[in-house]
Amino acid sequence: NAGVTQTPKFQVLKTGQSMTLQCAQDMNHNSMYWYRQDPGMGLRLIYYSASEGTTDKGEVPNGYNVSRLNKREFSLRLESAAPSQTSVYFCASSDGGLDQPQHFGDGTRLSIL
Amino acid sequence: AQKITQTQPGMFVQEKEAVTLDCTYDTSDQSYGLFWYKQPSSGEMIFLIYQGSYDEQNATEGRYSLNFQKARKSANLVISASQLGDSAMYFCAMRERSNQAGTALIFGKGTTLSVSS
Repeated sequence: NAGVTQTPKFQVLKTGQSMTLQCAQDMNHNSMYWYRQDPGMGLRLIYYSASEGTTDKGEVPNGYNVSRLNKREFSLRLESAAPSQTSVYFCASSDGGLDQPQHFGDGTRLSIL
Repeated sequence: AQKITQTQPGMFVQEKEAVTLDCTYDTSDQSYGLFWYKQPSSGEMIFLIYQGSYDEQNATEGRYSLNFQKARKSANLVISASQLGDSAMYFCAMRERSNQAGTALIFGKGTTLSVSS
């Protein structure tokens, strides 16, 4: 009963390093999302994928890229990490209906030094 | 302008009391959905309750209910008989049909609830 699985759970990077956050869901959902959570800011959408083969920018896409590898997997890449990208990152998935809740992974706590 | 506003950064309640967490929203859509999530200190996001814009009845899920006032654009979460385990951050979120980001959620900044014995 895994739901949404994110790896890694914690990571420390140096400024300028690159990294890929992995996300996989086993609920056969079409839509997947990446959010970041910063203190006092709630969750903000970085990128989303409405279906396999499509990706689009959200509210705060700068400095990130994504890949929807297949229906199950949606990865987030930081090409050149910056201290401003220190955050908790959540992956989520859902069916397409307005009434369908998003299911979240447990988050990745990322620190950029 | 903020789409989701949660005006209470922190709330304090004693065990067994009821508490209301406020949420107001801004949308011009007729069709939208409102969600509440709980985030305990362990960090995961837990879906609590959903209210659709066309629902005539207020949503309820166990000890959680949603006080939906459409004309005032408010969707307050009511937790009855608070328990120590209810201590967490609570987020109100909205999904709009017209949202360019598909079915993504727009989140408020959250309210931290502390329950004491």
